[in-house]
Amino acid sequence: NAGVMQNPRHLVRRRGQEARLRCSPMKGHSHVYWYRQLPEEGLKFMVYLQKENIIDESGMPKERFSAEFPKEGPSILRIQQVVRGDSAAYFCASSPPNLGEQYFGPGTRLTVT
Amino acid sequence: ELKVEQNPLFLSMQEGKNYTIYCNYSTTSDRLYWYRQDPGKSLESLFVLLSNGAVKQEGRLMASLDTKARLSTLHITAAVHDLSATYFCSWRANFNKFYFGSGTKLNVKP
Repeated sequence: NAGVMQNPRHLVRRRGQEARLRCSPMKGHSHVYWYRQLPEEGLKFMVYLQKENIIDESGMPKERFSAEFPKEGPSILRIQQVVRGDSAAYFCASSPPNLGEQYFGPGTRLTVT
Repeated sequence: ELKVEQNPLFLSMQEGKNYTIYCNYSTTSDRLYWYRQDPGKSLESLFVLLSNGAVKQEGRLMASLDTKARLSTLHITAAVHDLSATYFCSWRANFNKFYFGSGTKLNVKP
C-alpha cells in the first residue's frame, strides 16, 4: 500500500505565476488535509476535503488559494498569482473513513522568486 | 480560541540525560498525536493517545495523556544524538480538524 504521494516535491515559480500542488491519498482514504509550514514553524491547517466536498476551508487565505478533491484523481491545491510570502512547504495528509490517524505525504517545497 | 501550546520550543541536551516536552491543548479532545520531523522531511507518526491515562513507549520515548489536565507529555530517557529532530504534538478537535503545536526543536549533543 503506497503512502501519501505529493508532486512535485520542489516547485519554483516567479511572482505572478500559478502553482499547482497535487496530493494522492493512501488507498482507501477519503479525507485529505492540506497544511502549510513556514521555515522554523509548525504546521498551519489550510483546508479539509472529502471527495467532491470542501468540509472546512477556514485556514485558507481568502484570495488566490483554492483546493479541490475530485471524484477521480488527486487533490489539488492551487495558488494563483504567487507572491514571495507563499514560499513554504505544503504538506498533504490523508486519513481513512473512520477518521483515525493522519498520514503525511513528503511535502511540496514551493519557492517563489 | 482553539490552540496547542508546546514547551519548550528549543531544547539542547547532552546525551544520556532525561527530559520532558509538554503539550497543552485548549479544549476536549479524544485523540492526541506526537510526530517527529527531521530537517527538510515530512512528519513521522510516533504515538497516538486515545484515552485518559494512556501511556505509550517506543525505545527511549514515552508519551502520556491526561485529558482532565488537557496535557500530554513526551519523555525522553537517556537521550542519544539520533533523537535530534523537531517534535510536534497535535490534537483532533470537533469536526475532524487537527491542530498542531509550534514544535520543540531538540538538539542532543554527543
